[in-house]
Amino acid sequence: KQEVTQIPAALSVPEGENLVLNCSFTDSAIYNLQWFRQDPGKGLTSLLLIQSSQREQTSGRLNASLDKSSGRSTLYIAASQPGDSATYLCAVKRETDSWGKLQFGAGTQVVVTP
Amino acid sequence: NAGVTQTPKFQVLKTGQSMTLQCAQDMNHEYMSWYRQDPGMGLRLIHYSVGAGITDQGEVPNGYNVSRSTTEDFPLRLLSAAPSQTSVYFCASSLAGGMGETQYFGPGTRLLVL
Repeated sequence: KQEVTQIPAALSVPEGENLVLNCSFTDSAIYNLQWFRQDPGKGLTSLLLIQSSQREQTSGRLNASLDKSSGRSTLYIAASQPGDSATYLCAVKRETDSWGKLQFGAGTQVVVTP
Repeated sequence: NAGVTQTPKFQVLKTGQSMTLQCAQDMNHEYMSWYRQDPGMGLRLIHYSVGAGITDQGEVPNGYNVSRSTTEDFPLRLLSAAPSQTSVYFCASSLAGGMGETQYFGPGTRLLVL
């Protein structure tokens, strides 16, 4: 059974600091890993998707890395802003699962203080 | 495009009542899924569908039914609501499978069972 863990569960940083969010997974046989953002009372928005053959993906201030062999991914958010306050979830798509199935971590709740 | 839509946004049920959570997407996506989100547990897959007429069980299917008569709609039925089904329910969709395929989520339905 695939287990996806996100540590820490919560994080508070002052504006301008870089954010580092961690995601680990037990089964390295994955097709891809996605990072999502969830605002309070809202749905999930996909931020970055890393395919298993890739090492990283970048979008603006966001950079996500993937080390499939060690079962780890890291999301970096540069120069954090109060608008980055949200819960960030990672999810993996296992090779053995149908395309409609993702395994999620519990998320990291981020607060960026002005 | 409206993307993934869900109705209702919020619902209160009494134990034993039945109801249907609606989900629709206008992106011609083949894959659709239902997840529930509980505090500290991340999202867990209830049921999913890989196309019209094809559904399968996820991680926590007990107490829920689904059907997929059209590509656009994927309703989730609670047969006899129980307090343990109090949760936030998310519907998601994605185009036919591929390593670079992301999932799109609806805004969620908050369900309270008394």
